[in-house]
Amino acid sequence: NAGVTQTPKFQVLKTGQSMTLQCAQDMNHNSMYWYRQDPGMGLRLIYYSASEGTTDKGEVPNGYNVSRLNKREFSLRLESAAPSQTSVYFCASSERGDNQPQHFGDGTRLSIL
Amino acid sequence: SQKIEQNSEALNIQEGKTATLTCNYTNYSPAYLQWYRQDPGRGPVFLLLIRENEKEKRKERLKVTFDTTLKQSLFHITASQPADSATYLCALPSNQAGTALIFGKGTTLSVSS
Repeated sequence: NAGVTQTPKFQVLKTGQSMTLQCAQDMNHNSMYWYRQDPGMGLRLIYYSASEGTTDKGEVPNGYNVSRLNKREFSLRLESAAPSQTSVYFCASSERGDNQPQHFGDGTRLSIL
Repeated sequence: SQKIEQNSEALNIQEGKTATLTCNYTNYSPAYLQWYRQDPGRGPVFLLLIRENEKEKRKERLKVTFDTTLKQSLFHITASQPADSATYLCALPSNQAGTALIFGKGTTLSVSS
């Protein structure tokens, strides 16, 4: 009954360090998403993967890369972390197709000093 | 590009009253609109979806309306309870793809006993 699992839950990085945020879902969903949530800004889409083997940029992709490792896993990488990337990162998944609800993990809280 | 506005950042009501939250969008009329609930420290949880050809949708004490003329959705919680206290987000499809969503900043509802 795990749903969407994100690791780690918390992380502190120094400016310039790299990091990969992991996300896995056990609902056999085709589509997966990465969002960031900042105070006053709401949830903003970073990247998404409509199906295994495809990835597309969202609203705020700069400074990030993603990998859809297989149907279950979608990772987000920060190559050179910047303080502006301090945020809460959420991964979500959904069935293929329009109007499907998205299922979210509980987030990774990332601080970059 | 599409923009979403949720009427207020915070709404305080007394237990037993009806809470009404507003979601306005500015551009094209979306094929559907979704509402989510988010508790502190947790990811959003899907509540309801309403399609453009549906005027109203209900689920237990929740009711959503969709007025494409006003470019507005209303989210009602009847007989509100302290356990309904949370942040409520509306979301609609981005102009990039049917599965990607854009989210409003949310309205934080506080229900006092």
